[in-house]
Amino acid sequence: AQSVTQLGSHVSVSEGALVLLRCNYSSSVPPYLFWYVQYPNQGLQLLLKYTTGATLVKGINGFEAEFKKSETSFHLTKPSAHMSDAAEYFCAVSAQNTGKLIFGQGTTLQVKP
Amino acid sequence: DGGITQSPKYLFRKEGQNVTLSCEQNLNHDAMYWYRQDPGQGLRLIYYSQIVNDFQKGDIAEGYSVSREKKESFPLTVTSAQKNPTAFYLCASTHIGGNSPLHFGNGTRLTVT
Repeated sequence: AQSVTQLGSHVSVSEGALVLLRCNYSSSVPPYLFWYVQYPNQGLQLLLKYTTGATLVKGINGFEAEFKKSETSFHLTKPSAHMSDAAEYFCAVSAQNTGKLIFGQGTTLQVKP
Repeated sequence: DGGITQSPKYLFRKEGQNVTLSCEQNLNHDAMYWYRQDPGQGLRLIYYSQIVNDFQKGDIAEGYSVSREKKESFPLTVTSAQKNPTAFYLCASTHIGGNSPLHFGNGTRLTVT
């Protein structure tokens, strides 16, 4: 069975500050890991994904995430927050070849001017 | 442009009525999914289909039904048996294979009174 835990349902940062959104997963098989962003009343947009290979993955809008197997983590970071980054962020895990994603409960990012 | 179209964006129904949410994709994806989103609970899988004329229950299928008569279409019916139907419903699709990301529609917000 697979599961995802996002630590912190709400995170608040100042504009220009580091963004760190935490995600820990549980998986009995090598996982595929994803981060999605959702703006109000819209669908989810893929930020980045890890499948195999390089453990540091870069995504859109300056975000990146590092897969750490020993810590079962896939935290999302951005060096400098922008007002437009305010949204809800979801971490997700899937088992290979199923296409089914298991989502975390989401983290709402607030960016203060 | 390729994408997933969900309609309508907002839907209002009286308790006891069945309602069908539309989802159409022109991405030539094999697999399609329905998720339900409630505040603070992330996304939960209702039904999914990996091939025409076949579909499987997700984690919260009770009170819902689907059909997959065409590759492009995966409508979801919310029946009167669903006890708490008010929610945001998201449709997604992908190619078969666990490392392919899900592509999401913009959702339908259903309100039942």
